[in-house]
Amino acid sequence: AQSVTQLGSHVSVSEGALVLLRCNYSSSVPPYLFWYVQYPNQGLQLLLKYTSAATLVKGINGFEAEFKKSETSFHLTKPSAHMSDAAEYFCAVSAGLGKLIFGQGTELSVKP
Amino acid sequence: DTGVSQNPRHKITKRGQNVTFRCDPISEHNRLYWYRQTLGQGPEFLTYFQNEAQLEKSRLLSDRFSAERPKGSFSTLEIQRTEQGDSAMYLCASSSDSRGETQYFGPGTRLLVL
Repeated sequence: AQSVTQLGSHVSVSEGALVLLRCNYSSSVPPYLFWYVQYPNQGLQLLLKYTSAATLVKGINGFEAEFKKSETSFHLTKPSAHMSDAAEYFCAVSAGLGKLIFGQGTELSVKP
Repeated sequence: DTGVSQNPRHKITKRGQNVTFRCDPISEHNRLYWYRQTLGQGPEFLTYFQNEAQLEKSRLLSDRFSAERPKGSFSTLEIQRTEQGDSAMYLCASSSDSRGETQYFGPGTRLLVL
């Protein structure tokens, strides 16, 4: 069975600071992993995905994530936070027939 | 074709009423998914279609819920005899045929049951 755990339901950073959002997964098969972002009252937008190619995945808006099999992690990072990055972020694993299993989400706040 | 669309965007109903939501996927996508998202939680899988065939249903989908995808195009999700616990955001997503393919999400339908 697949599952995802996001550590920290709320993360607050200053503008220009490093963003680190943590995600650990459990999967009985080689995982496909995703990060989505959700702005208030909107659907989810894909930031990046890992599908067994390069372990360092680059996404939109300057985000990237590194797949570490030994740590079963897929943490999301961005070197310098911008005010527009404030949103809810979800990590997800693909689980048979393509359905996604999501973590509980991490709300990112960016202080000026 | 600009993406997945959902209608209505908002629905307020009284307990016991029936509601129906519509999802129009990206036209070339064979797969269509429904998820439910409650406040402060991640989306939870409800059901999945490959073309017109409903291939998987979550245990979250009680007998009051039914989904269809006639002709493998748009899909509808109906909730009968709504309960206050059904209040949530209902999200639709579509993708092409391979595992690992990106699921593109619609804006969602927010349901409030009074």
